[in-house]
Amino acid sequence: NAGVTQTPKFQVLKTGQSMTLQCAQDMNHNSMYWYRQDPGMGLRLIYYSASEGTTDKGEVPNGYNVSRLNKREFSLRLESAAPSQTSVYFCASSQGVQISTNEKLFFGSGTQLSVL
Amino acid sequence: RKEVEQDPGPFNVPEGATVAFNCTYSNSASQSFFWYRQDCRKEPKLLMSVYSSGNEDGRFTAQLNRASQYISLLIRDSKLSDSATYLCVVLRLGGSQGNLIFGKGTKLSVKP
Repeated sequence: NAGVTQTPKFQVLKTGQSMTLQCAQDMNHNSMYWYRQDPGMGLRLIYYSASEGTTDKGEVPNGYNVSRLNKREFSLRLESAAPSQTSVYFCASSQGVQISTNEKLFFGSGTQLSVL
Repeated sequence: RKEVEQDPGPFNVPEGATVAFNCTYSNSASQSFFWYRQDCRKEPKLLMSVYSSGNEDGRFTAQLNRASQYISLLIRDSKLSDSATYLCVVLRLGGSQGNLIFGKGTKLSVKP
């Protein structure tokens, strides 16, 4: 089982460039998420999608857009990258449309993004 | 005050030791609680959920104290492979994915 697959693993951008981070899950999960993790900070939610066709903002959505292309795929786009977006990005998925006590998030292996 | 607070550590312990981490949360409406484990440069993985009555999974015991608003993780007989960062995660009442709050993590290093 591949689980949650993210691409690319590493990326270096110049300020102002755009890029899309791809995420796909093969577990037939309903919900998908994008988080960023910065040194000294907890994981922070950027956007999430509770089901195909729906997306909602998380804690830090500014500068990002997302697309839930189908049930499997959830992409994150940086339209004009800024140095403040240098971070490690994690995609995650979960079975239900709502997190519960017994539900777990499955994370991808992460994308290390540097914006110069 | 941060919504979820953890001692960042590092906790340096010898193999076989017992170690405990605490995590405090500020929002009394918090509903569900979890411990995730994150190895260096890897993704977080669920270690265990935390139930109101406390729960155990092998060498790991999690407890919840709603009155004092903290959760704890106890690791007995530490192994070298337990070295990782342990993330405390809290779900606020309302239950939407947008309200899953991660702590910054506590780093554990188990030495031979």
